[in-house]
Amino acid sequence: DTEVTQTPKHLVMGMTNKKSLKCEQHMGHRAMYWYKQKAKKPPELMFVYSYEKLSINESVPSRFSPECPNSSLLNLHLHALQPEDSALYLCASSRSDSQETQYFGPGTRLLVL
Amino acid sequence: GDSVTQMEGPVTLSEEAFLTINCTYTATGYPSLFWYVQYPGEGLQLLLKATKADDKGSNKGFEATYRKETTSFHLEKGSVQVSDSAVYFCALSDDTSGTYKYIFGTGTRLKVLA
Repeated sequence: DTEVTQTPKHLVMGMTNKKSLKCEQHMGHRAMYWYKQKAKKPPELMFVYSYEKLSINESVPSRFSPECPNSSLLNLHLHALQPEDSALYLCASSRSDSQETQYFGPGTRLLVL
Repeated sequence: GDSVTQMEGPVTLSEEAFLTINCTYTATGYPSLFWYVQYPGEGLQLLLKATKADDKGSNKGFEATYRKETTSFHLEKGSVQVSDSAVYFCALSDDTSGTYKYIFGTGTRLKVLA
């Protein structure tokens, strides 16, 4: 199984809502990542988890809260988002957080109204 | 700091034409280099990679050679197909200086016409 799955595929939320994005992989990878991708732009790294511990937070606002319940799952909790947070949110995983190939999920397309 | 620079797109080619997408990088350590492809509405997929100087990555007719002397990793394909239409991202990963980095270029959109 070389797949990273993400749910939901699409999400529309108001600025006062609380929602969560989910990501799952069963490749035994020990590093997982959240990226934000705006239209016609490259992915921007948000968070890195290595062995279920947060190792990198790229100065992301606190309205985004990551969680890694176990080595296969990664969540991104969303609260009080702004319209400019509308984007494609991509999850990825790799064997380790070294110079490894990352395997990406299809993404969650988020619209904040 | 580390960075990746890709040629501006979009690139429009006829089927069976030769493709080159330029990518250059700056790095303080010894990075690994990657090309990823993103089809419409999908996540990124690894196309090929190279982990050290003079390595050549290849996959599905695409090739790129890690050139340390010119700090380049240009993507080439001898004969493109309509199905190659996508956005191509050059990327580097470097943790040799003790700080993990995974940096993508701005992406180059390729459109292949039948």
